[in-house]
Amino acid sequence: QVQLVQSGAEVKKPGASVKVACKASGYTFTRHYIHWVRQAPGQGLEWMGMIIPSGGSTAYAEDFQGRVTMTRDTSTSTVYMQLGSLRSDDTAVYYCVKEDTGTYAGPFDYWGQGTRVTVSS
Amino acid sequence: DFVMTQSPESLAVSLGERATINCKSSHSVFYDSNNRNYLAWYQQKPGQPPRLLISWASTRESGVPDRFSGSGSGTDFTLTISSLQAEDVAVYYCQQYYTTRTFGQGTKVEIK
Repeated sequence: QVQLVQSGAEVKKPGASVKVACKASGYTFTRHYIHWVRQAPGQGLEWMGMIIPSGGSTAYAEDFQGRVTMTRDTSTSTVYMQLGSLRSDDTAVYYCVKEDTGTYAGPFDYWGQGTRVTVSS
Repeated sequence: DFVMTQSPESLAVSLGERATINCKSSHSVFYDSNNRNYLAWYQQKPGQPPRLLISWASTRESGVPDRFSGSGSGTDFTLTISSLQAEDVAVYYCQQYYTTRTFGQGTKVEIK
């Protein structure tokens, strides 16, 4: 079965960087885009960007341009999301999400369990 | 930029009654070439990641109870729960995937 298993919770100081891992299994890793979505405490869902695992191309939301980097390792079917220059309002749960369709835009059919990132001095 | 606006922000419905959530997109999410609306609905319960309920505006996902239905086209969409059950208490989000990705702000559904 499809699984997205994320790395554990992180606590970081303002100005630092965090790197979250998402290991995929149960499907052909290179055939489906992976997205990152975050959710601040008590707030809604915010799309951060996406990576195409087959070639590594990325697209980032404007709000995160210059601060976020998404990469992948096809040998381990793992996607990484690194967010830099952390601020207190980056405190959130970060989800990796698999897109349903392989060749065109589609809905998000599988979600990771979420990684809580806390930014605090 | 796409803006997705949901209404209401919250609603309380009696068990067995109908719940209706609206979602309005700032731009059409209908793609002429394949006659599809690039619109999904998700359900999120406390402490859990969201779950895909409806894709392409009206296609119910496998395992989703048939009391959930989606309708609409272009810029205006609706999620209907025909007979609210206790397990439907959650926050519901619409999302466009026509270009990049954008979520609505969420609608909290509670029992009256």
